[in-house]
Amino acid sequence: QSALTQPASVSGSPGQSITISCTGTSSDVGGYNYVSWYQQHPGKAPKLMIYEVSNRPSGVPDRFSGSKSGNTASLTISGLQAEDEADYYCSSYTSSSTVVFGGGTKLTVL
Amino acid sequence: EVQLVESGGGLVQPGGSLRLSCAASGFTFSSYDMHWVRQATGKGLEWVSAIGTAGDTYYPGSVKGRFTISRENAKNSLYLQMNSLRAGDTAVYYCARGWNSWFDPWGQGTLVTVSS
Repeated sequence: QSALTQPASVSGSPGQSITISCTGTSSDVGGYNYVSWYQQHPGKAPKLMIYEVSNRPSGVPDRFSGSKSGNTASLTISGLQAEDEADYYCSSYTSSSTVVFGGGTKLTVL
Repeated sequence: EVQLVESGGGLVQPGGSLRLSCAASGFTFSSYDMHWVRQATGKGLEWVSAIGTAGDTYYPGSVKGRFTISRENAKNSLYLQMNSLRAGDTAVYYCARGWNSWFDPWGQGTLVTVSS
């Protein structure tokens, strides 16, 4: 199972919006609504930000939103804040009953 | 408070074995799938294994046949038996509570180093 494809890096200024894409295949992202997104600050464990494509766990700001179209899922962060600077990973359930992650995207807040 | 605490990491020689443990608290452990995910230094996340509430297990090809996930509900504990370890298995290993293939929360991780 190949890793999902994410851009290596994205950047934005405070207050702006950014979108991180996550591209898979019909056997993972496109085939199931089980895409999730994780935020990881340096030296810390990952934190769930979005589950099942577009749902936010309690405590996650509504600046974070998720969507999916075909084999590509997206995470959008609006009103960027300095504390949003982190690595972001997508993951998906697969037709092999496994889970696959994206390679990760480093978000820089300028 | 839901909490996961991993232990058992350390330095092991290539070809050796190691058993990781994850102690769970703050939730009904037996009602959740549980997972192991690893991260090599400076690299991305890699899913390593999962165990369902019925004891069904799942692995990616990279560890299948070498790693065994298990659980002991009476002790609220998750385990990962790792055999035939290779340098490429060097990573921080996280345990995570699962639901519909998403993970929340994650433990703080335990470092496994495979080196001679």
